[in-house]
Amino acid sequence: QQQVKQSPQSLIVQKGGISIINCAYENTAFDYFPWYQQFPGKGPALLIAIRPDVSEKKEGRFTISFNKSAKQFSLHIMDSQPGDSATYFCAGEFTGTASKLTFGTGTRLQVTL
Amino acid sequence: DAGVIQSPRHEVTEMGQEVTLRCKPISGHNSLFWYRQTMMRGLELLIYFNNNVPIDDSGMPEDRFSAKMPNASFSTLKIQPSEPRDSAVYFCASSSPWRGDTGELFFGEGSRLTVL
Repeated sequence: QQQVKQSPQSLIVQKGGISIINCAYENTAFDYFPWYQQFPGKGPALLIAIRPDVSEKKEGRFTISFNKSAKQFSLHIMDSQPGDSATYFCAGEFTGTASKLTFGTGTRLQVTL
Repeated sequence: DAGVIQSPRHEVTEMGQEVTLRCKPISGHNSLFWYRQTMMRGLELLIYFNNNVPIDDSGMPEDRFSAKMPNASFSTLKIQPSEPRDSAVYFCASSSPWRGDTGELFFGEGSRLTVL
């Protein structure tokens, strides 16, 4: 069964700190790894994504680190802000025909003042 | 541009009643997905359509659940009869045939279902 395991389940970080969320996957056919951000009462929205041919991707304060040999990837949020408080989902996908995302269980991030 | 539109946003019903959730995907998107979100199980893919054809319904929990996509701009998820354990937020998402490097799914705001 395709699985993506995500940790921690919840995370509290002070404003200005670094938030780190980790994911591990099993299916080596996955070739696309996005992170989605969900605010309360809203649907998830794509935050950042990476392909396994690179080890890191950075967009502003958000960075994905990818370790193909370990089948792990992580999201780093630098200089965390209260507005980053949300639930974050990692996911994996094989982008062939009839592709579909497999989501992790989510991490609820709270950034305190 | 309008995003994915779901209705109703909230539904409270009694056990045994039929529930129909509706979704209008983004115009031009040819893939449509139904997800269920609960605290215990996170985001679960129930079914997805490609060009209005159901491709994978392995996530549909049981025969009480059914989904249709009669045309490119409309889909329904029906639960009959509903049970308290069906209480969850149901999301519809769509994606473009040219997903490119982002492979982005666009989610609606969800339909929160409470079955008493």
